[in-house]
Amino acid sequence: EVQLVQSGAEVKKPGESLKISCKGSGYSFTSHWIGWVRQMPGKGLEWMGIMYPGDSDTTYSPSFQGQVTISADKSISTAYMQWSSLKASDTAIYYCGRLRSSRWSAFDMWGQGTMVIVSS
Amino acid sequence: EIVLTQSPGTLSLSPGERATLSCRASQSVSSTYLAWYQQKPGQAPRLLIYGASSGATGIPDRFSGSGSGTDFTLTISRLEPEDFAMYYCQQYGGSPSFGQGTRLEIK
Repeated sequence: EVQLVQSGAEVKKPGESLKISCKGSGYSFTSHWIGWVRQMPGKGLEWMGIMYPGDSDTTYSPSFQGQVTISADKSISTAYMQWSSLKASDTAIYYCGRLRSSRWSAFDMWGQGTMVIVSS
Repeated sequence: EIVLTQSPGTLSLSPGERATLSCRASQSVSSTYLAWYQQKPGQAPRLLIYGASSGATGIPDRFSGSGSGTDFTLTISRLEPEDFAMYYCQQYGGSPSFGQGTRLEIK
């Protein structure tokens, strides 16, 4: 069974760093692009960026470039999203998703989401 | 950046009725790069349609997609109780973006 399992909810203070994870199983992790989507409270979906774990090729949305870092450890089939200095406006649910085929394709599998709360 | 505008914002229908959801792009989108997702409260999105009209694995055939250029449509032929949810379109050619969503609610 293809699965993406994300790390648990986080409560952080502004200025702190954070790294959340997304572990893939049931498929060849290095053969599919994996991406991240933000959903702020009560709002819609925002495409953040994608990475190809096979060679670490990464593309960011201009809105998120420089704000987050996407990485992966293919030895453990896990992708990551990290922040060096969180802001209150980073409060959201973050979903990872597997791209169906190529770099520019739909998300055909999703993680369950990681809730991040940033509050002083 | 391609902006996707979904309409209506909220659609109120009864089970058994036909639902038609619209997604309009600010510039032409290749039909190869248009998807629809369903999201229920507290759940991750689920892929329904990709390539504008291809059904994703396991999706009932009451869901269908159509359109080209700047106008795309998701049709649910006969609404089942479990279909009442949020629906998002997405274009994924070059600089991907999502529409703001249509809420399909029970009338």
